[in-house]
Amino acid sequence: EAQVTQNPRYLITVTGKKLTVTCSQNMNHEYMSWYRQDPGLGLRQIYYSMNVEVTDKGDVPEGYKVSRKEKRNFPLILESPSPNQTSLYFCASRGDGAYNSPLHFGNGTRLTVT
Amino acid sequence: LAKTTQPISMDSYEGQEVNITCSHNNIATNDYITWYQQFPSQGPRFIIQGYKTKVTNEVASLFIPADRKSSTLSLPRVSLSDTAVYYCLVGSPLTGANNLFFGTGTRLTVIP
Repeated sequence: EAQVTQNPRYLITVTGKKLTVTCSQNMNHEYMSWYRQDPGLGLRQIYYSMNVEVTDKGDVPEGYKVSRKEKRNFPLILESPSPNQTSLYFCASRGDGAYNSPLHFGNGTRLTVT
Repeated sequence: LAKTTQPISMDSYEGQEVNITCSHNNIATNDYITWYQQFPSQGPRFIIQGYKTKVTNEVASLFIPADRKSSTLSLPRVSLSDTAVYYCLVGSPLTGANNLFFGTGTRLTVIP
């Protein structure tokens, strides 16, 4: 089954403790992206990657890192999480560089930073 | 990248047709219009996409007037399971997939 898989689904951590949220897709998609969703603010893009070893900042990249060493994986790294990074995170992928290919989303990771 | 404006929320009774309009006054010549649906605690899901006039699939119809400054997502005979947030996006295949603007979407509540 074609899908985008995020892990973990839920994560509670403390301020400053490094964490990684994994994202993997099995559709051989070039494009991958991370979003965060907060009440009243909608979905905001954090980082995106057009292909392996190619990443770029989205709207809200501060406090986050990403890497794209393999086509299928696009982990989101929080080196020193803070409470304002408590949010619902989504990973997405798309088949080619064209906008009119639909995005495929994972089921989300709910992160709480205390 | 053109941004969009949608109503924050809508209510509808089961069995009715629902029309959600999206305004995109700054849409560019090469931009497509895409709608996504999001259920609670799930990622958004692609519904429909169009460039002009009318597009229909098994889930919805998309109406785009000649000036393309707005679009209307039409959901026929909604059921309780259509309760979700609906997002309208515009963008161009020529500029690629960068930094898509989702906004806050329209929260549709279907009432029994």
